[in-house]
Amino acid sequence: TQLLEQSPQFLSIQEGENLTVYCNSSSVFSSLQWYRQEPGEGPVLLVTVVTGGEVKKLKRLTFQFGDARKDSSLHITAAQPGDTGLYLCSGTYKYIFGTGTRLKVLA
Amino acid sequence: EPEVTQTPSHQVTQMGQEVILRCVPISNHLYFYWYRQILGQKVEFLVSFYNNEISEKSEIFDDQFSVERPDGSNFTLKIRSTKLEDSAMYFCASTVAGAPTGELFFGEGSRLTVL
Repeated sequence: TQLLEQSPQFLSIQEGENLTVYCNSSSVFSSLQWYRQEPGEGPVLLVTVVTGGEVKKLKRLTFQFGDARKDSSLHITAAQPGDTGLYLCSGTYKYIFGTGTRLKVLA
Repeated sequence: EPEVTQTPSHQVTQMGQEVILRCVPISNHLYFYWYRQILGQKVEFLVSFYNNEISEKSEIFDDQFSVERPDGSNFTLKIRSTKLEDSAMYFCASTVAGAPTGELFFGEGSRLTVL
């Protein structure tokens, strides 16, 4: 069973701060996805990373896939209240999600 | 824009009753999924469905659960005899291309409350 551990579990920060959340596993993934779930909605795909060491940027969000393809990080620059939500990683082999990081950005 | 639709949005039922949650996946999608999210907790995989059969299921998906694609458009999750701990949000998702790179499209969920 693929286990995806995400950290931190909860994060509450002020608008304008930077943050990094992590997704770790003992398994090697051919690719990894990040989703964001806003309150009352289903998760929405942010990015798919497929190559070890790959870095992808989506506006203020930077995603990195570990060289060994066992871990990934999501860095948010200058967080805004609209970034509030549950961030989930998924090792796409079975579409199983990680434990999630619940982010709250305070205005 | 095509979307996954789920009904009902909220269902309240008595313990021991049968519940059917319905989903209409995006029309050209081939892979279908059900997930469960207990309030404030993680999104838990229940089952995946492809080519009219279950392809994967989790430990949560026991004999109380079943899925069906009865008419080529609907995808249903049935819980035969609900328990209090089945109270959760249930999400349906679909994708046109399966793992590893297909994007999952989620519905807005069905909230199940078991009393």
